[in-house]
This record gives sequence, C-alpha cells and structure tokens, in this order.
Amino acid sequence: GENVEQHPSTLSVQEGDSAVIKCTYSDSASNYFPWYKQELGKRPQLIIDIRSNVGEKKDQRIAVTLNKTAKHFSLHITETQPEDSAVYFCAASRTRNTPLVFGKGTRLSVIA
Amino acid sequence: DTGVSQDPRHKITKRGQNVTFRCDPISEHNRLYWYRQTLGQGPEFLTYFQNEAQLEKSRLLSDRFSAERPKGSFSTLEIQRTEQGDSAMYLCASSLGASGSTDTQYFGPGTRLTVL
Repeated sequence: GENVEQHPSTLSVQEGDSAVIKCTYSDSASNYFPWYKQELGKRPQLIIDIRSNVGEKKDQRIAVTLNKTAKHFSLHITETQPEDSAVYFCAASRTRNTPLVFGKGTRLSVIA
Repeated sequence: DTGVSQDPRHKITKRGQNVTFRCDPISEHNRLYWYRQTLGQGPEFLTYFQNEAQLEKSRLLSDRFSAERPKGSFSTLEIQRTEQGDSAMYLCASSLGASGSTDTQYFGPGTRLTVL
C-alpha cells in the first residue's frame, strides 16, 4: 500500500521568512496530493492540492510542487506570519474521492 | 453550520464498554470517510462509503469496529469492548464523490475518545 514520509517533523522560522515542507510517497498510482493545516484542537483544513498532471500550483503565499518521477512533493509558504503556526499534513491518494494516506505532520512555528 | 458535524465531541468510557459515534456529512455529499488520529500522528484511514455502500475497510479496522451508513446520509461508527489503545480522535470527512476537478474531502471536528 501507499506510504507517505514527511520532513521535517518540526520547523521554526522567523516571521517573514519562507518555510518548506517535503513529502515522499511510494505508490506510483497516486495522482492526488493535498495539504491540510490543523490548528490545535481543530479539524484538518485543506489549504492547497495538486494533481499529477500538474507540476506546480500556487495560491497567494502558498505553493506546492510535484515531481512524479521522483515521487516527492513539497509545500512552500512565503512571507510567513504568526497565524501560519500550525501542524501541516501532506497526503496522497489515487483520486480526490479515495482514501487519503497522510504523512506524520510538520509542526510549524512562526516566531514574531 | 453547513459543514461536516460529529457527535459527541468528547467521549470518556471504561474499558470493555461499547461506544457509538455519529457523523453528518455535508448535504449531498455521496462519499463519507472515517479516519483515526492519535497524538502527534496524521489521520489514518479506517473505512469509507459511497452512499450506503461500504467500499473499503482498512486492516486497522478490527472486528470490534463496525460502521454503517444505512440511508446514505449520516453514518455511525461503533466500537465494541473498547480497549485503551482505542483512545484517539475519530475524524469523519465527506466529499461529493464526483469526478470533477474541484471535489475535495472536508473534515468534521472529530470525536475524542478516551478509554480508561
């Protein structure tokens, strides 16, 4: 089955700096790669996603890149703000509507 | 609130008791998923439904776990003879189930289970 590895497990950055979180996956049949943000005590919320027919996607300060050959994808957050502090999870699945396999999460702390 | 809802939000039970959780998906969402999340980990898939049909069960789902979605709307997850290892956050998610490019899985707030 699919296995998703996520690094780093914790990340601290100064406000205004960029943050990068990386994930690798094992199943070449995976075609959908979402990123979720989870604040303490709250539900995971989708922040951006990418499908395998696209190499990069951007939404304001957030971007995701995908290298399907190497089976890895990354989340980039620019101009970080304190409210970006949360746990971020990458995930992989075959389609948008099939079960997600999540990484273990990255705890991002943005220091003001 | 028109999002995914779950009830109860918290449940404390004694080992050996049975518990049941309920999930109400977003209206008109055909697919409903159950995940389990333990402290410091990402959500782990348990099972999912297309309308009332259960499509897949994870190997994580022991015989003590059963899930239903009898009318294709809300779903219940029952755990029989609870064990301390069942303590976790149980998350429900739903999606339209359409093949369109904008569909996604929306999560509920979760039910936190503590088994004493």
